[in-house]
Amino acid sequence: DIQLTQSPSTLSASVGDRVTITCRTSQSISNWLAWYQQRPGKAPKLLIYDASSLESGVPSRFSGSGSGTEFTLTISSLQPDDFATYYCQQYNSYSATFGPGTKVDIK
Amino acid sequence: QVQLQESGPGLVKTSQTLSLTCTVSGGSISSGGYYWSWIRQHPGKGLEWIGYIHYSGSTYCNPSLKSLCTISVDTSKNQFSLRLSSLTAADTAVYYCARLRFSSGGYFDLWGRGTQVTVSS
Repeated sequence: DIQLTQSPSTLSASVGDRVTITCRTSQSISNWLAWYQQRPGKAPKLLIYDASSLESGVPSRFSGSGSGTEFTLTISSLQPDDFATYYCQQYNSYSATFGPGTKVDIK
Repeated sequence: QVQLQESGPGLVKTSQTLSLTCTVSGGSISSGGYYWSWIRQHPGKGLEWIGYIHYSGSTYCNPSLKSLCTISVDTSKNQFSLRLSSLTAADTAVYYCARLRFSSGGYFDLWGRGTQVTVSS
């Protein structure tokens, strides 16, 4: 099984800050990685797929990069709606796994 | 637009079997290219993929659940279902149904609102 780790686990930031979250995988997955946002009490929402493709309707302040085993999600200018938990996810060999999550809260 | 809605019991007894259904509205479950999935989230924890099914009937379950997981599809009702057997308190979670879309990888692009399931004796 491919394991995913995320850093940091919690991030305190202010509105307008540039925020970067890292996801690492236990083996190379090419660019087969997605990022999700989950607000409290809500279902996750797909933000980025194929490591760097922006899902339709997602604001352009969200971007993703990386390949192989290291990936990043960047929010260029944090907005009030962006305080949430972010998960990375990979799909390989008929199985999907999620990272443990990064909570972005208000500084 | 396509929407997903989970339904099922909120409370199940230990050792019993959980049955959940996801109803797909606004589109056909038989439209090509998608798989239909179940994902759960334990209280205060991360996300765990349970399994998925194609409208043709091909299914895959998380190996960690072994033979406890059964997923089925009813194209006439535009629904797919999850059965999880031999429940323990560790199966208490919010259960989501989601649509799995493939491009380079596989991604969950549409989610239901989730349904809380509590397992208790």
